[in-house]
Amino acid sequence: GENVEQHPSTLSVQEGDSAVIKCTYSDSASNYFPWYKQELGKRPQLIIDIRSNVGEKKDQRIAVTLNKTAKHFSLHITETQPEDSAVYFCAASLAGGSYIPTFGRGTSLIVHP
Amino acid sequence: DSGVTQTPKHLITATGQRVTLRCSPRSGDLSVYWYQQSLDQGLQFLIQYYNGEERAKGNILERFSAQQFPDLHSELNLSSLELGDSALYFCASSVAEGGGASGELFFGEGSRLTVL
Repeated sequence: GENVEQHPSTLSVQEGDSAVIKCTYSDSASNYFPWYKQELGKRPQLIIDIRSNVGEKKDQRIAVTLNKTAKHFSLHITETQPEDSAVYFCAASLAGGSYIPTFGRGTSLIVHP
Repeated sequence: DSGVTQTPKHLITATGQRVTLRCSPRSGDLSVYWYQQSLDQGLQFLIQYYNGEERAKGNILERFSAQQFPDLHSELNLSSLELGDSALYFCASSVAEGGGASGELFFGEGSRLTVL
């Protein structure tokens, strides 16, 4: 089955800095890579996703890049703000198929004011 | 609001007991997933149902079981509870299997189980 590795487990930055979280996956058949944000005590919510036919996707201050050959994808957050502090999970799955989304172990992002 | 409803939000019980967690998926969603999140742990997939049928099993203990009813709500039954079962249990739903064409899972607010 799919295996997703996520690094780092904790990331501490100053407000205004950029943050990068990296994930690797094992199953080359995976074609859908979502990122979820989980604020303290809340449910995970999708913030951005990318499909395997696209190399990069941006949405305001967040972007995701995908390298299919190397089987890794990354989340980039620019101009971080204290409200970006949360746990971020990457996942890999086969959209439209029967694959169950496999999540990484999460990255706790702390943005210091 | 994701549209996924989980009850109860909090549950405190003793070791050896049995509890039932309930999930109502978003209107129109046929697939329900259960995930366990322990302290400082990621989202561990337990089990998935699609339109009433079990579709996939993850790291679900034999003491745990689940089902999806004709009205598409799902229940996760946890029995012979141990201290280590204390966790946040999330239910998520999607239109189709594997997240459907969009791939997105919609999570409920979770049920926090504390076993004393």
